[in-house]
Amino acid sequence: DIVMTQFPDSLAVSLGERTTINCKSSQSVFYSSNNKNYLAWYQQKPGQPPKLLIYWASTRGTGVPDRFSASGSGTDFTLTISSLQAEDVAVYYCQQYYTTPQTFGQGTKLEIK
Amino acid sequence: EVQLVESGGGLVQPGGSLRLSCAASGFTFTTYAMSWVRQAPGKGLEWVSAISAGGDSTYYGASVKGRFTVSRDNSKNTVYLQMNSLRAEDTAVYYCAKDSSGNAVYNWFDPWGQGTLVAVSS
Repeated sequence: DIVMTQFPDSLAVSLGERTTINCKSSQSVFYSSNNKNYLAWYQQKPGQPPKLLIYWASTRGTGVPDRFSASGSGTDFTLTISSLQAEDVAVYYCQQYYTTPQTFGQGTKLEIK
Repeated sequence: EVQLVESGGGLVQPGGSLRLSCAASGFTFTTYAMSWVRQAPGKGLEWVSAISAGGDSTYYGASVKGRFTVSRDNSKNTVYLQMNSLRAEDTAVYYCAKDSSGNAVYNWFDPWGQGTLVAVSS
């Protein structure tokens, strides 16, 4: 199985500040035949199901604010929130869908400082 | 609007069985694979199972293989998860999710249902 590791496990950021969450896969999730990275990001607010933010490593999901962006390739990926809003308090997960079983990172808890 | 509504969770004794259901609406159900993902209390996300759009391909995580069975009824827009030989470590909120394609592999999940809680305890 591909192991997904996120860091940090948690962080506290001031409102309006920029924040970055990292995700590393134990093997590449890049498929050269279509030039795509099989990596998604989700946001889970307290008491809610996860919500898709990003797929193909950098494509925002429908309705996702443009303060959320993501990048990376191969084994190293980042999710960036350009200006933290109060409603962004959540746990963020990366997920690889390059192989079955699809696997998730352990999550990064984002709080307001 | 896409909606996924899970049901069937509850308290069950170790070794018991439960069948979860997920009723889907707002999209062409027969076009998309569906997955089950679980989350133990205070823990992260674990993919459990997936079924292709036509129901001919199914996949399972190692921790549930041989005990859980996924199925779907495309006439009812519903996907099921039959869970047998339940263990304490199966205690979790079980979410159903719409896969991004009709194949049961290589998918992200969007959207997710609200989840149903399964508690395995004596």
